[in-house]
Amino acid sequence: AAGVIQSPRHLIKEKRETATLKCYPIPRHDTVYWYQQGPGQDPQFLISFYEKMQSDKGSIPDRFSAQQFSDYHSELNMSSLELGDSALYFCASSLGPSPLHFGNGTRLTVT
Amino acid sequence: SQQGEEDPQALSIQEGENATMNCSYKTSINNLQWYRQNSGRGLVHLILIRSNEREKHSGRLRVTLDTSKKSSSLLITASRAADTASYFCATDASGGGADGLTFGKGTHLIIQP
Repeated sequence: AAGVIQSPRHLIKEKRETATLKCYPIPRHDTVYWYQQGPGQDPQFLISFYEKMQSDKGSIPDRFSAQQFSDYHSELNMSSLELGDSALYFCASSLGPSPLHFGNGTRLTVT
Repeated sequence: SQQGEEDPQALSIQEGENATMNCSYKTSINNLQWYRQNSGRGLVHLILIRSNEREKHSGRLRVTLDTSKKSSSLLITASRAADTASYFCATDASGGGADGLTFGKGTHLIIQP
C-alpha cells in the first residue's frame, strides 16, 4: 500500500538559509500534518491542513510556513534557519481525524 | 506542560517478558492512541482507544484507558527483540477539527534477547 512520501530524506543547511520540505500524502487522505521532533524529544505539532485549507496551528515559528497544493502534496518552508531548527520533520496524513500515517521524515541539520 | 506524559522513560526487559508503559494526560479527549517509532524512522500507529472504551486488544497489545484518572497503559505481552523501539501515547483532544495529536515524551523499550 502507498505510504506517505517525504523528500528529501536528509538536508544540510547553514544558518540563515532557507529550506523546503515536501510531503506526498496517502492518496485520498484529506488531512496533512507536520511535526517536528528534536533529538530524544516527542513529536511537536506544527500545522495541519484539511482539504488544502490550513486547519490548525501548533508551535510553528513565524519563520516557517506551509501550504497544501491542488494535487494534495504539501510543503514546509523554513527561512532564516537557526541551529535549533535541526530536527526530524515528519509529515503525516489521515482520512478524517485519526489515526495518522507518518512518513519516514526529513532529517534537517543546520550548521 | 506536556499533554501526554509517559513512564517509565526507559524500560529494559528480557525477551518473553511482558512490558507495561503508562501515559497520563491533562485535558478531555476524544481518543488516545499509541504509536511506535524505530530509531530515526516515522511513527507507526499501533492502537486507538476511544474515550468511552476502557480496554482494547490487538494481537499482543492490550491498552487500557481510565478517563477519571486521565491515564492509559500499553501492555505488550511475550515481548520479542523486534519490539525494541520508542512508544508514544498521543491524545486527540475534544473539540473536533483536524487538530494535531499531542504526543507524550515516549518510553524507550529495549528487549534483551
